[in-house]
Amino acid sequence: DAGVIQSPRHEVTEMGQEVTLRCKPISGHDYLFWYRQTMMRGLELLIYFNNNVPIDDSGMPEDRFSAKMPNASFSTLKIQPSEPRDSAVYFCASRPNMGAGNTEAFFGQGTRLTVV
Amino acid sequence: EDQVTQSPEALRLQEGESSSLNCSYTVSGLRGLFWYRQDPGKGPEFLFTLYSAGEEKEKERLKATLTKKESFLHITAPKPEDSATYLCAVRGGAQKLVFGQGTRLTINP
Repeated sequence: DAGVIQSPRHEVTEMGQEVTLRCKPISGHDYLFWYRQTMMRGLELLIYFNNNVPIDDSGMPEDRFSAKMPNASFSTLKIQPSEPRDSAVYFCASRPNMGAGNTEAFFGQGTRLTVV
Repeated sequence: EDQVTQSPEALRLQEGESSSLNCSYTVSGLRGLFWYRQDPGKGPEFLFTLYSAGEEKEKERLKATLTKKESFLHITAPKPEDSATYLCAVRGGAQKLVFGQGTRLTINP
């Protein structure tokens, strides 16, 4: 498997524009996570899905952020409108459901977002 | 609320100089403590999972240990290629990982 695939790798956009980040999880993985990484706050969980259903979105900073998972092989994270403080590296991760759930998550290479 | 604190924030060692990184945690019902390595511009890469106090795991020059309150990542005779940020995370009753801020390790030749 090619691992978790994210696109684009880099995104530069102007304040107020809509940004869509994409993720293809590892085939067969039931859980998908969206994280944001900044120097100040480290890795923060934004939202996660189980079997395409959003389970916990308490980390989504505000209504400008939304995430969808229309099928088992694709998820998007959308920011509308974008603001400079959204600049960060956004990671997608996936892991299988193995009973007790004691398994590691596999991360993609991330999307570096810069809002100017 | 689950919390993870890592120390030190940064550590600079000479090649061959052994040391340890610390991860202190509070979690409701530990379902795993995870160590990841992250290189610049890349996503975190899985190293170890520990489930219960007293457990130890090894991989090349790295050994991870776990107590009821903390975990240590011991690095023996490190090489420059071990330079990276090392992240600790816990999973409690929920299915999400809560990460610490990481330790940035630099090994000088």
